[in-house]
Amino acid sequence: AQKVTQAQTEISVVEKEDVTLDCVYETRDTTYYLFWYKQPPSGELVFLIRRNSFDEQNEISGRYSWNFQKSTSSFNFTITASQVVDSAVYFCALSGGPSGSRLTFGEGTQLTVNP
Amino acid sequence: GAGVSQSPSNKVTEKGKDVELRCDPISGHTALYWYRQSLGQGLEFLIYFQGNSAPDKSGLPSDRFSAERTGGSVSTLTIQRTQQEDSAVYLCASSPTGGAFQPQHFGDGTRLSIL
Repeated sequence: AQKVTQAQTEISVVEKEDVTLDCVYETRDTTYYLFWYKQPPSGELVFLIRRNSFDEQNEISGRYSWNFQKSTSSFNFTITASQVVDSAVYFCALSGGPSGSRLTFGEGTQLTVNP
Repeated sequence: GAGVSQSPSNKVTEKGKDVELRCDPISGHTALYWYRQSLGQGLEFLIYFQGNSAPDKSGLPSDRFSAERTGGSVSTLTIQRTQQEDSAVYLCASSPTGGAFQPQHFGDGTRLSIL
């Protein structure tokens, strides 16, 4: 069975601080895909990034960066110079294998960025 | 272009009543998913449609839950004889063809409250 763990339930930072959200996953599949979604207070889940199991190259998009390490089954997400608008719940998710395209989500991390 | 549309936004009903939740996916998307988000259970997969058929309905929690999709477009999730534990936000998502690598695009959800 697939499992995603986000050990940090809540994180609170002050604006301009860097913050890293942790994600650890479990799967027996050799091919799988990892995703990060953002859920702002409005409620809609917004797709941020996808990574496949063959590509361990880290990615940077503006203030966002992602570190995928297959050896530790982790897919961590860093926000540099956080802003109040980054306040949201962030979900890590996993798809692939016999479960096909269904997403298995972590419990989510509530990030609060204070001015 | 329009995103995933769900209706109603909110639904309050009495225990024991039946409810129908509607999802209109992004035009042209053949894959459609239902998830449930509740405080105790996080984000859970319910059912996946490819066209009008449901190759994966393993997430439906009981036989009180059913879903259908007609014309390869709109989907309806029906909960019969509602119970208080059915209270949750029901999220619908769609993707172009249902591949595990494809990001799923979510609607705003239907918040269901059972009195």
